[in-house]
Parts: sequence; structure tokens; C-alpha cells
Amino acid sequence: GNSVTQMEGPVTLSEEAFLTINCTYTATGYPSLFWYVQYPGEGLQLLLKATKADDKGSNKGFEATYRKETTSFHLEKGSVQVSDSAVYFCALLGGNKLVFGAGTILRVKS
Amino acid sequence: EAGVVQSPRYKIIEKKQPVAFWCNPISGHNTLYWYRQNLGQGPELLIRYENEEAVDDSQLPKDRFSAERLKGVDSTLKIQPAELGDSAVYLCASSSVAGAHNEQFFGPGTRLTVL
Repeated sequence: GNSVTQMEGPVTLSEEAFLTINCTYTATGYPSLFWYVQYPGEGLQLLLKATKADDKGSNKGFEATYRKETTSFHLEKGSVQVSDSAVYFCALLGGNKLVFGAGTILRVKS
Repeated sequence: EAGVVQSPRYKIIEKKQPVAFWCNPISGHNTLYWYRQNLGQGPELLIRYENEEAVDDSQLPKDRFSAERLKGVDSTLKIQPAELGDSAVYLCASSSVAGAHNEQFFGPGTRLTVL
């Protein structure tokens, strides 16, 4: 079945540091890929998405590229802020069903 | 535009008691989802509705869980009786058209603690 694996956290960075959160997937066919973010006390929000190979999703300074050859969708940001502290979930959509990774906690220190 | 509304936000019950969660999706969204999120894990789909029809309930533990969406708008998820392992956050989401690429909008969730 479809599955998503993302790097374990927590990831702790200083403000303005470079961020990478790794995500790999297993799926039949060509799923759409997503990153969701969950800020403390709030619901999940879509951060970015990519619907086919080599697509790059971007939003709020975050980027991720759909890599079919490595079945990956790593999240990156060049300079993190304290306000980016949250839980980040990688997910794929296959067969009308969203499958999520376990989530990665990001803590950014000032 | 109002987001997905869920109530209650928190619920503490003793095992073997019943509990119900309520969700009001974004106006006009015909697809509604219930997810369960265990601590330290990502959400897992329990059931998906297209209007009032449950089109995917394969992950719903039907011996104790039930759900309804009678008029194709708001929905209720019930557990009876609750077990210790049901402690989790129950998330509701909605989208305008099911299928590829459509964004699901999530509510804040109901955190259930079973003692």
C-alpha cells in the first residue's frame, strides 16, 4: 500500500538557518504530494503541493520538488524564522485517500 | 469565509462511556472526511462522505464507531463504548470536489482522552 516516511524530529534550528525535512514515499502510480503544517493549537494547513514529477511547490519561502526517480519530496527553506515553529507533515494523495507521514516537529530558536 | 468547525475541542470520558463529535464543513463543500490522529503520528482516514453517502469507510472500526451525515452538510462521529486506545485527536476535513489535487481543509480537531 501507499506510505510516507519522513525524518524524525524534533529538528531544532537557530533563526535564519537553512531547513531541510526529508520525505520519501511508496506508491503505485503517480500520486500528488503535499506538505501540511500544524501550528500549535491550530488545524492542519496546506503549505504546498506538487502534482507531477519535477513540479516544484512553493509557499511562504518553503519549497519542495517532486522527484520521481528518488521517490522524494523534501521540504526546504533558506532562512527559518521563530514563527515557522510547528509540526510539518508530508502526505500523498492516491486513490482519493490522503496518506500522511508521522510528522516532524520544527523548533526555531531566536 | 468560516473554516471547518468542530466541537467540542476537548473531551475527557471514562472507558465504556459513549462520546460524539460534531463537524460543520466549509459551506458548499460536498466532501467530508473524518481522521484520527494518534500521538506522534500523522492523521489516518476513518471515513469519507460524498454528500450524504459514505463512499469509503474501510478504516472505520464498525463494532464501536459510527458516523452520519444526514443532510449532506454537518456530520457526527460516535464511539460507543469508548476504549482506552481511542484516546487521540479526531480531525474533520472538507473539500469542494473529491479526487486528485483538491485541497482538504482541516478543522482544529477534538482531543479525546479516555480514562
